[in-house]
Formats: sequence, C-alpha cells, structure tokens
Amino acid sequence: DTGVSQNPRHKITKRGQNVTFRCDPISEHNRLYWYRQTLGQGPEFLTYFQNEAQLEKSRLLSDRFSAERPKGSFSTLEIQRTEQGDSAMYLCASSPGTSLETQYFGPGTRLLVL
Amino acid sequence: AQKVTQAQTEISVVEKEDVTLDCVYETRDTTYYLFWYKQPPSGELVFLIRRNSFDEQNEISGRYSWNFQKSTSSFNFTITASQVVDSAVYFCALRQETSGSRLTFGEGTQLTVNP
Repeated sequence: DTGVSQNPRHKITKRGQNVTFRCDPISEHNRLYWYRQTLGQGPEFLTYFQNEAQLEKSRLLSDRFSAERPKGSFSTLEIQRTEQGDSAMYLCASSPGTSLETQYFGPGTRLLVL
Repeated sequence: AQKVTQAQTEISVVEKEDVTLDCVYETRDTTYYLFWYKQPPSGELVFLIRRNSFDEQNEISGRYSWNFQKSTSSFNFTITASQVVDSAVYFCALRQETSGSRLTFGEGTQLTVNP
C-alpha cells in the first residue's frame, strides 16, 4: 500500500507532556499538510510543506506546536506541554504539487490529553 | 474570506433511496477548486471528486453524481440507490487560488443508510 501513513494511530498522554506524531506521505508527493479535526467538525488547516520548506502556517499553530520535514520526505508534528484542548484527530495529507493539487489523507492520529 | 457551509448535519435514509448532500461555498476568487471527501467510521478521509471553477459540467461516477452551479455557489452531491456502505460523514471543501494550498472544510454531513 502506497498511501499516506501516520504513526501512532492513537496516543493518550497526560497534560503537560510532549507528544510527537509522524507522517509518511505518498512517495514522490512533494507537498505535505497537517490538519486538526475535533469531534463533529471538519478538518482545520495547520501547516504545509513544499519539500522541506514550511510555506504556510495557520494561526491555530501556537508556539507549542512545531512541525518539521527535514529531508522533504516524512514529517513530524510535535506538541509541547499538551493541554486538554489539544485533544483531537491530527490528519496528514500529501499532494503531488502540480496543478492537479488533490490532497490525499492518511488515517490520522487520535490524541487524548487527560 | 472563504467559507463552506453544509447545512445538513445529519441525514438518515433507507437503503435504495436517493439522497442529496448540500454544499454552499463563499469565495472572492475567480479561480478555486471544490472537493468532496468521505470519512467512514475508520476516520480516514477518502477523496471523491475535485472540480475547478471553470468547469461547471456535472459529473457522474457510478451511483455518485455532482451538481456544480456557480450562480448559486453550490456543489451538491447525490447518491443514487444508497447502500449501507455509504454510511459515513461527507465533507465538502474549498481551495481558493489566493489562499495557497489550504483546504477549507465544511462541518460535514453524517449520512446513515439503514437496511
């Protein structure tokens, strides 16, 4: 299967802890996106990368959040000092970066902060 | 500003009924793209269709069809002869040319197809 993969699928943590999620995009897709989805809502954009460059960040991405894509392949999203309000599904998507620009999503990482 | 509205929060139908999911969008751009995604209980968003603002042709794919009308800023999705496997949350999304690559999603419509 060559779709977008995310690890872990589930994460339970205590408030104040740091967590890190990983996303592996579809091979040869040079754009990678992070979204957050809370219960009953549509996904909300967080940030996106073109290769290793982080080109756009949402205001939702507070200073406790950091994302990297060091070699233009996989990406990590870290949340420091987690808060209960960070509980959500974190979705990763990738796209080929052409005019077609369809984003294909991974299965998500569901975070629960206790 | 860009916005997507899916006014139907939940729809419940009996198998084999036809069902239409509504999507209304707002954008100031002349170039934009509209999408529909399906999110089954497993959680993964599955891409269904992309439409650009210059292509108002309706599209049919099997039991699925989409009606794009710029005059009413709507991009509605119809499932014909619904099946239990169609049960999912369906999201409409918009990408406008001046907002980079971000997608703006509606709040989704939970479709339940009962046997």
